[in-house]
Amino acid sequence: QVQLQESGPRLVTPSGTLSLTCAVSGDSIIGGSWWSWVRQPPGKGLQWIGEIYHTGKTNYYASFKDRLTISVDTSRNQFSLRLTSVTAADTAVYYCVRDPRGAVVPGFDSWGQGILVTVSS
Amino acid sequence: DIVMTQSPLSLSVTPGEPAAISCSSSQSLLHSNGNNFLDWYFQKPGQSPHLLIYLTSFRASGVPDRFSGSGSGTDFTLKISRVEAEDVGVYYCMQTLQTPPIFGQGTKLEIK
Repeated sequence: QVQLQESGPRLVTPSGTLSLTCAVSGDSIIGGSWWSWVRQPPGKGLQWIGEIYHTGKTNYYASFKDRLTISVDTSRNQFSLRLTSVTAADTAVYYCVRDPRGAVVPGFDSWGQGILVTVSS
Repeated sequence: DIVMTQSPLSLSVTPGEPAAISCSSSQSLLHSNGNNFLDWYFQKPGQSPHLLIYLTSFRASGVPDRFSGSGSGTDFTLKISRVEAEDVGVYYCMQTLQTPPIFGQGTKLEIK
């Protein structure tokens, strides 16, 4: 059973950089899935941020493009998110998600437990 | 970006009664392969979302058969045939035809 676990600082200062890592277990990150980040501001809905394939190919939501970097470490079976110049609007629960695109059962089929990151001084 | 609109945004249902949530997209989600790229997710309070329905009408593993999805093109529906207390939470539709995948605003289901 695949498991995803987010980790990283839970408090980031305004204008700083938000960095999170998602450790994947129970599946190989080079197994053919895409790996996404989704966030949810407190009390609000879900927003896709971006995704990465094990080759390093990425797709980002346009509104984050200038601030966002998603990377993958195949040797550690994990992927990461880096968001620069953060503001209070970036305060959210951040989820890492597996998307076995093209598989028999597509969809965001596995989610991490989420990590609340607060941007505050 | 494709815009996803859900209605209602909240509903209160008596246990055992049916419920329906609508989701409309600003562009057709019908792929040339015949599939409509629309998924449904459910988020219980305090938990991560999980996949309910994929490709409009296919239930994910472990999802009770009281949940069903239908629709095509730009209009989709999630139905619960008999609502149970464990169905309380927020339901989201999401299109995956185009990047970026976009979620609907969410529909909060409560029990009367």
